[in-house]
Amino acid sequence: SQTIHQWPATLVQPVGSPLSLECTVEGTSNPNLYWYRQAAGRGLQLLFYSIGIDQISSEVPQNLSASRPQDRQFILSSKKLLLSDSGFYLCAWSAGTDYNSPLHFGNGTRLTVT
Amino acid sequence: GENVEQHPSTLSVQEGDSAVIKCTYSDSASNYFPWYKQELGKRPQLIIDIRSNVGEKKDQRIAVTLNKTAKHFSLHITETQPEDSAVYFCAASSKNTGFQKLVFGTGTRLLVSP
Repeated sequence: SQTIHQWPATLVQPVGSPLSLECTVEGTSNPNLYWYRQAAGRGLQLLFYSIGIDQISSEVPQNLSASRPQDRQFILSSKKLLLSDSGFYLCAWSAGTDYNSPLHFGNGTRLTVT
Repeated sequence: GENVEQHPSTLSVQEGDSAVIKCTYSDSASNYFPWYKQELGKRPQLIIDIRSNVGEKKDQRIAVTLNKTAKHFSLHITETQPEDSAVYFCAASSKNTGFQKLVFGTGTRLLVSP
């Protein structure tokens, strides 16, 4: 069966510090991968998606970047965090060959920028 | 692009009552409509989904209906229980040049009182 791992679970970082969040998927090949952000009490905002290695698309202009160095690895980064980067970050995957397949979310990373 | 609106934002019911959450979408090409349940501090989890070639789908106490003409779909929960309390998100998706993009509603906070 497929599993998705996301870490760390919580993170407190000062403004201006770098960020690296990692996500890996097991049990599937060539998945679509996604990074979502959820502000406190708010909905899910798509940040990045990827349909393959080194193929990244950004949905919103921001202080963040994403990379996919391996088929089942997705990384969210920032060189300098802003206060507004605080939130709940969720990695997700869907089957790459099924255009009507659900998203499966990781457990999320709660990021607080101080 | 797709826009999904969700109502109500909060819903309070007594245990045993029914709950209905409604969503509308804008893109007539959307053909996949999942619903997610998110408990406090946890990841969203898929509870039911429906595809555009089906008008209704039921899974025990949960049902979803889809009206393609009107571009709206609804989640129905019968015989609600306190453990149904959570935030529920609807979403709509269409194939986009080889990539499936889900757009989420803003969420409904359901509170079931004993």
